Amino acid sequence: DGGITQSPKYLFRKEGQNVTLSCEQNLNHDAMYWYRQDPGQGLRLIYYSQIVNDFQKGDIAEGYSVSREKKESFPLTVTSAQKNPTAFYLCASSIISANQPQHFGDGTRLSIL
Amino acid sequence: GESVGLHLPTLSVQEGDNSIINCAYSNSASDYFIWYKQESGKGPQFIIDIRSNMDKRQGQRVTVLLNKTVKHLSLQIAATQPGDSAVYFCAEFRAFLSGGGADGLTFGKGTHLIIQP
Repeated sequence: DGGITQSPKYLFRKEGQNVTLSCEQNLNHDAMYWYRQDPGQGLRLIYYSQIVNDFQKGDIAEGYSVSREKKESFPLTVTSAQKNPTAFYLCASSIISANQPQHFGDGTRLSIL
Repeated sequence: GESVGLHLPTLSVQEGDNSIINCAYSNSASDYFIWYKQESGKGPQFIIDIRSNMDKRQGQRVTVLLNKTVKHLSLQIAATQPGDSAVYFCAEFRAFLSGGGADGLTFGKGTHLIIQP
């Protein structure tokens, strides 16, 4: 089945540690996105990428980093500079075109030990 | 800042009744809107979308209405079933002026739809 796969489903981070969340898609979509969701809140955009080897900051990029070495993959690193990393992280992808929906993975829940 | 919002954080309906979930947006330049359904512990699932040149669009048991005059969007679910219990988000899209690419959707905070037996 075509879709977006996020791993792991649950992740724990120690103080001062960087952790990387995986996102892979086989939909042949050019654009990929990372969102953060806090309890009772909507989604906030962290980073997005429209093409391989290029990405742009979203609304809350501080403390995060990404890479886009392959079309299918868009990993997100939560660095130690992110002081409040506990959240549900969602990856999405879409066709590069106006008025196209984004398709989401099932998320990674990150918690602090 | 956030330009998309919902009127009610929680909506409780009887099984079999119709549900109406509302959303207000503030940016008159927005030209595309999406409704997503999110079940607990999962990612948002696309339900239906509508472009700004339309007032109404129907899917299977769902209808989206767009009122551009008052910047209001609604999702109607017919004959609500237990499986409809979830958080529903409206999302607003406005393409980059420069390239038409996607810069991400702006989401409201969501309405939790609760189905009473």
